Amino acid sequence: DGGITQSPKYLFRKEGQNVTLSCEQNLNHDAMYWYRQDPGQGLRLIYYSQIVNDFQKGDIAEGYSVSREKKESFPLTVTSAQKNPTAFYLCASSTKQGTGANVLTFGAGSRLTVL
Amino acid sequence: GQQVMQIPQYQHVQEGEDFTTYCNSSTTLSNIQWYKQRPGGHPVFLIQLVKSGEVKKQKRLTFQFGEAKKNSSLHITATQTTDVGTYFCAGKQGGKLIFGQGTELSVKP
Repeated sequence: DGGITQSPKYLFRKEGQNVTLSCEQNLNHDAMYWYRQDPGQGLRLIYYSQIVNDFQKGDIAEGYSVSREKKESFPLTVTSAQKNPTAFYLCASSTKQGTGANVLTFGAGSRLTVL
Repeated sequence: GQQVMQIPQYQHVQEGEDFTTYCNSSTTLSNIQWYKQRPGGHPVFLIQLVKSGEVKKQKRLTFQFGEAKKNSSLHITATQTTDVGTYFCAGKQGGKLIFGQGTELSVKP
């Protein structure tokens, strides 16, 4: 079955530590996205990538970094510069063509708690 | 900045009652998408509306896109406990998908 796999599902870290969240898709989608979800605030875009080796900042990129070395993978690093990193992180992907263009398929999410 | 406002934030209904959530944008949208997120789950795509005044139905769910392409609604007829979750709209503005804050629906049996 095609889909998006995020890991880990739950992550606990101490303040000041960088953490990397994994996102892998086997849907052959060109575009991948990272969203942050906080209660009552909907989904906010952190970074997105339309093609391998290229990515753009979203609305709340400060304190985060990404890479897109392979089409299937789009890892997100939450750095110590992120002031309030505790949140639910969602990875998504989409195709750019056809009837399903720009429709997002989400992973199950990673819940990060900073102690 | 670009915003899509969604109301209400919460809605509690008795099973069998109807439910509606509304999305409004200050700018024209290319299209609007709707997603459902079950408690503890992730958003799942429901539908996309593209044309001005478009109405689409999925069983008990009716989706509308306003004539000016600035607002949209999702109406559920005769809610069931399986409808519980948060419903998000997402409007396309200038190539970017902007999510509303979501409406959390709870259904009392």
